[in-house]
Amino acid sequence: EDQVTQSPEALRLQEGESSSLNCSYTVSGLRGLFWYRQDPGKGPEFLFTLYSAGEEKEKERLKATLTKKESFLHITAPKPEDSATYLCAVRPTFKAAGNKLTFGGGTRVLVKP
Amino acid sequence: EPEVTQTPSHQVTQMGQEVILRCVPISNHLYFYWYRQILGQKVEFLVSFYNNEISEKSEIFDDQFSVERPDGSNFTLKIRSTKLEDSAMYFCASRGTGDSNQPQHFGDGTRLSIL
Repeated sequence: EDQVTQSPEALRLQEGESSSLNCSYTVSGLRGLFWYRQDPGKGPEFLFTLYSAGEEKEKERLKATLTKKESFLHITAPKPEDSATYLCAVRPTFKAAGNKLTFGGGTRVLVKP
Repeated sequence: EPEVTQTPSHQVTQMGQEVILRCVPISNHLYFYWYRQILGQKVEFLVSFYNNEISEKSEIFDDQFSVERPDGSNFTLKIRSTKLEDSAMYFCASRGTGDSNQPQHFGDGTRLSIL
């Protein structure tokens, strides 16, 4: 069974204090790993897709990396507007046309000014 | 930017009643999904839908649940006889064609409260 575990559950940062979020996964075969941002009362908002170990993607203050067992989301010099829950999800190797996502529990990030 | 829209944003229903949650996926997308998130828990997959049929469903998606694409723009989730444990946020998502690793794009959800 596919499993995704995110740590820490919550993270409090001062503005400008860089940090990393972890996403560990167990899947029979990884077709893609996805990072989403979720604001309170909203749906997940797509950030990145990673396909293979060693791959990196960047967007503003966020950088996502992937190894064979885990992914990291690095937040560099965060601002208060980066406060959100960050979700990691995996899509296993093609099993059916559906390609469901299995999500982790998320990391709640609070950036204080 | 195109987005997935869901209505209503909040639905309150008596236990045992039927409820229909509505979604308008992004217009050129052909893969559709429903997920739910019980308060404080993970986002969970319910069902995926392609070419007018269910392509995959989870154990949660039992006979009380059904999905339909009644016309060219809407995608609905029906719960026939709601239970207290159906209270959750329900998210619709859609995905484009082409590269099968295109991301799923989510709506802002319907909060379903069963009394």
